[in-house]
Amino acid sequence: EVQLVESGGGLVQPGGSLRLSCAASGFTFSSYWMHWVRQAPGKGLVWVSRINSYGSSTNYADSVKGRFTISRDNAKNTLYLLMNSLRAEDTAVYYCARLTGDDDNWGQGTLVTVSS
Amino acid sequence: EIVLTQSPATLSLSPGERATLSCRASQSVSSYLAWYQQKPGQAPRLLIYDASNRATGIPARFNGSGSGTDFTLTISSLEPEDFAVYYCQQRSNWRTFGQGTKLEIK
Repeated sequence: EVQLVESGGGLVQPGGSLRLSCAASGFTFSSYWMHWVRQAPGKGLVWVSRINSYGSSTNYADSVKGRFTISRDNAKNTLYLLMNSLRAEDTAVYYCARLTGDDDNWGQGTLVTVSS
Repeated sequence: EIVLTQSPATLSLSPGERATLSCRASQSVSSYLAWYQQKPGQAPRLLIYDASNRATGIPARFNGSGSGTDFTLTISSLEPEDFAVYYCQQRSNWRTFGQGTKLEIK
């Protein structure tokens, strides 16, 4: 069974940093592109970032470019999202997801709250 | 960035009725369009991929159609568990989601 388990969310002050992790199991992690998607409270889904299977190619939404960094450790079957210079508008549930096109797997999400 | 616009924002229907949800892309996404269902407190669930293919385990009452810039999700006869928020998503160029359509009980 495919499982994606996010961790690392919490309360952080504006301008602060946080690193999210996503532990993957039940599939060959090193073979798949991985994504982060976020959802602000009561709002819609927003794609944040993706990384290729090797970790050598990354893409970001304009809203996070230059502030967030996606990475992965295939030996540990773990995906990361380093978030710097956090703003109030970054407050959201962050989902780790394997989006293959014809089959998706999502984590349960981790809540990030940016507030003073 | 490809922008997806969903309509209507809210759809009020009764169980047994037919639901028609629309998604329009700002430029062609070919058939690389998916539909998701999301219930409160849950992660999204893939319903339809590549415009018209049902994902594993999705009931036959869910149907997707369209190509290029205009897409439709049809639920032929609403069941009580179908009332939720629905999102379209394109994978032609990176990924973007529509803003969602809330399907509520009338």
